[in-house]
Amino acid sequence: DAMVIQNPRYQVTQFGKPVTLSCSQTLNHNVMYWYQQKSSQAPKLLFHYYDKDFNNEADTPDNFQSRRPNTSFCFLDIRSPGLGDAAMYLCATSQGRNAENEQFFGPGTRLTVL
Amino acid sequence: GEDVEQSLFLSVREGDSSVINCTYTDSSSTYLYWYKQEPGAGLQLLTYIFSNMDMKQDQRLTVLLNKKDKHLSLRIADTQTGDSAIYFCAENPYSSASKIIFGSGTRLSIRP
Repeated sequence: DAMVIQNPRYQVTQFGKPVTLSCSQTLNHNVMYWYQQKSSQAPKLLFHYYDKDFNNEADTPDNFQSRRPNTSFCFLDIRSPGLGDAAMYLCATSQGRNAENEQFFGPGTRLTVL
Repeated sequence: GEDVEQSLFLSVREGDSSVINCTYTDSSSTYLYWYKQEPGAGLQLLTYIFSNMDMKQDQRLTVLLNKKDKHLSLRIADTQTGDSAIYFCAENPYSSASKIIFGSGTRLSIRP
């Protein structure tokens, strides 16, 4: 089945220790998104890739970076995690960026910062 | 500004109808969505409605849109235990074609 896969599902890191979260897709979609979702809050878009074109949201901290080495994979790098970065991180994909394109979400990676 | 508001919790008896309400601020939104998130899973698009419609029905789901009041609702008929989840309302502002603004989600719990 075509899907969006996130690894690992649970990640524990130490304060200030760099961490990378992974997302892959078998849908061959052009667009990949990363969202941050804190407890009882709305998912918040961090950035997205349209093909190789990186689009950062204005309020995304510099501490968050992303890489998309190919169509299938996209990584979220947190350079120096703080306690406030503990959250669920959701990856999503869509075929295009127009509003009628459905976003397909992965199950998320729950990040704990000690 | 862009903002989506919804209540955090709703509890209904099994077999009753559930109505989840949402208000949004961006009157230019062309699409409005309802997503469902089950425990341990990602968000799944349940249904959406175009801004030029006022109602959409899909099996047990009915979406009502009041553009004047910027109010969106999701009605689930004959609510079942499998409907237990968090339901997110979302809008797609015209100015941000690829950006969906989510509400904080309504946790629906089902009483026997």
